[in-house]
Amino acid sequence: AQKVTQAQTEISVVEKEDVTLDCVYETRDTTYYLFWYKQPPSGELVFLIRRNSFDEQNEISGRYSWNFQKSTSSFNFTITASQVVDSAVYFCALSEGGGSYIPTFGRGTSLIVHP
Amino acid sequence: DTEVTQTPKHLVMGMTNKKSLKCEQHMGHRAMYWYKQKAKKPPELMFVYSYEKLSINESVPSRFSPECPNSSLLNLHLHALQPEDSALYLCASSQDAGPGQTTDTQYFGPGTRLTVL
Repeated sequence: AQKVTQAQTEISVVEKEDVTLDCVYETRDTTYYLFWYKQPPSGELVFLIRRNSFDEQNEISGRYSWNFQKSTSSFNFTITASQVVDSAVYFCALSEGGGSYIPTFGRGTSLIVHP
Repeated sequence: DTEVTQTPKHLVMGMTNKKSLKCEQHMGHRAMYWYKQKAKKPPELMFVYSYEKLSINESVPSRFSPECPNSSLLNLHLHALQPEDSALYLCASSQDAGPGQTTDTQYFGPGTRLTVL
């Protein structure tokens, strides 16, 4: 069965600090997909990134970067120079390509960025 | 355009009322989903429609009744709800869905915040 663990329940930082959100996953499939979503207080889940299990390249998008390491089953998300607008709950999710195609979500990490 | 719209944004209803939540997408996606999300929890899957047919019902009580009139629209009919059904209801869509299909990214709407009195 697939499982996603986001051990950090809440992280509080001051603006301009860098912050890393951890995501550890479990799956028996060799083909799987990992996602990060952002949920601001307004409620909408905003898609940030999708990564498949065969692509371990790290990705950078502006102030966001993702570190995928199959050896440790982790898909961590770093925000550089955090801003107040980054305050949100961030969910990591996993879908197995060969079985259930429905993503399993982690419990989410609440990020609070103080001015 | 990766937009999923939901109406209404907020809904307050009594336990004897009948109401409906609506969801619409114009991305040509053939899979649509209803999720329920309680505060400080991840979304919980309720229903999946694939090519306008109900493919997954996660043992949801019958007081929730989904409907997919066409490939762009998804409704959730509510009747005789309980206060514990108060939550954020999220709709999502993806390109395709089904065993053996490539997992496609789900795009979510802004949600309907439902309060049952």
